[in-house]
Parts: sequence; structure tokens; C-alpha cells
Amino acid sequence: ILNVEQSPQSLHVQEGDSTNFTCSFPSSNFYALHWYRWETAKSPEALFVMTLNGDEKKKGRISATLNTKEGYSYLYIKGSQPEDSATYLCAFYQAGTALIFGKGTTLSVSS
Amino acid sequence: GAGVSQSPSNKVTEKGKDVELRCDPISGHTALYWYRQSLGQGLEFLIYFQGNSAPDKSGLPSDRFSAERTGGSVSTLTIQRTQQEDSAVYLCASSFQEYTEAFFGQGTRLTVV
Repeated sequence: ILNVEQSPQSLHVQEGDSTNFTCSFPSSNFYALHWYRWETAKSPEALFVMTLNGDEKKKGRISATLNTKEGYSYLYIKGSQPEDSATYLCAFYQAGTALIFGKGTTLSVSS
Repeated sequence: GAGVSQSPSNKVTEKGKDVELRCDPISGHTALYWYRQSLGQGLEFLIYFQGNSAPDKSGLPSDRFSAERTGGSVSTLTIQRTQQEDSAVYLCASSFQEYTEAFFGQGTRLTVV
């Protein structure tokens, strides 16, 4: 089973702070990198699907970058809001394998 | 259907009994995944079906676990002789094709007593 590492494990910020998380994955045979948001009592929902080295995706205040050569992706949240509180998962797709998830970064935003 | 459907939503079973968990993926999705989340843990990969290819069973934790996908659609995850460590939320997801966005069901919470 492939190893996908996320850091930090958890994070507590104040409303309005900007923050970022890291996802590390094997750099060989890269196919795709996904980011999901998992809110309490709900199912994970996709934020981004990234396939090309240098990809940058943005959705509102959330953005992500991808470096496939060195095997990492960053997720950025600008001006955090309490509704951003969730666990953020990254998932890695290597050719011919399943979608493997990291353990996630749990974000808590205080108002 | 509109989304991925899992049943039952909750299951309490006695240790040693067999259980079956069902997943109805989104129509037309070729890829189907099973994961589980144990208390305080992340999403643990169990098994992956892609089209007509042989399933990737590399995540199944023991031979008590098995899964099948009939007609490229509905999938059943079977756990035989359940143990207390099998207690977890079992999540199913499907995607249109490999590497595309995965859509998750609401999960089945399994409690083995």
C-alpha cells in the first residue's frame, strides 16, 4: 500500500487567519492527486483533482498547488472562517492502483 | 441514482456473526472503492473495482473480508466471523473512471458487540 503523508495532523486558527497544509506522496508513476473536505457527520467531498505538475487550482478562498517531481501538494485557505472547520484529506492515484488517502489534517477555526 | 447509496446505515452485530454491507454506486461509474474509518483513524483502503478488471484486494485486512461487484454496479462487502476490531464506519465511493473525483456514500457504522 502506498504511503500518503499529511501535516500537520491538526491545526487551530482564529477567524481571518490564513493557513496551509502539506500532502506528500510517492513521486513515481504519478497519475492524480485529490483534495477532499470531510465535515463532521457528512461524507468526504472533493475540492480539487490535480493531474499535471505545476497545477494550481482555486475555489473561492481555497487553493492548491502540485509538484509531482518532488511529490508534494499544498492546500491553502485564505481568511479562514468557522465554516472551514473540517478534516482535509489528500488522496493519491498511482497508475494501476486505487485511490489512497492520507490521514488528514483537522482544521478548527475559532470566531 | 442521484448519489452513492449504502445500506444499512447502522449495524450492530454479535461477535462471530457474518455481516453484509451494500453499496449502490452512481449509475455509469466504472470505479468503486471500499474504505473504513476506525475510531480516531483516517480512511483505510480496503478494495477497489475498476470496470471489468480483477479487483485490487490489497487492502483487505484478513481473509474474513471479501467483496464482490455484480454486473459492474452494486457491490457487497462481507465480513465473516466479525471481531470487535472490525467496528468502524465503512465507506463506499464511486467515480466515473479511474483518477476522477470520487463520490462517497453516507457510510455504514458497524458495531461488533
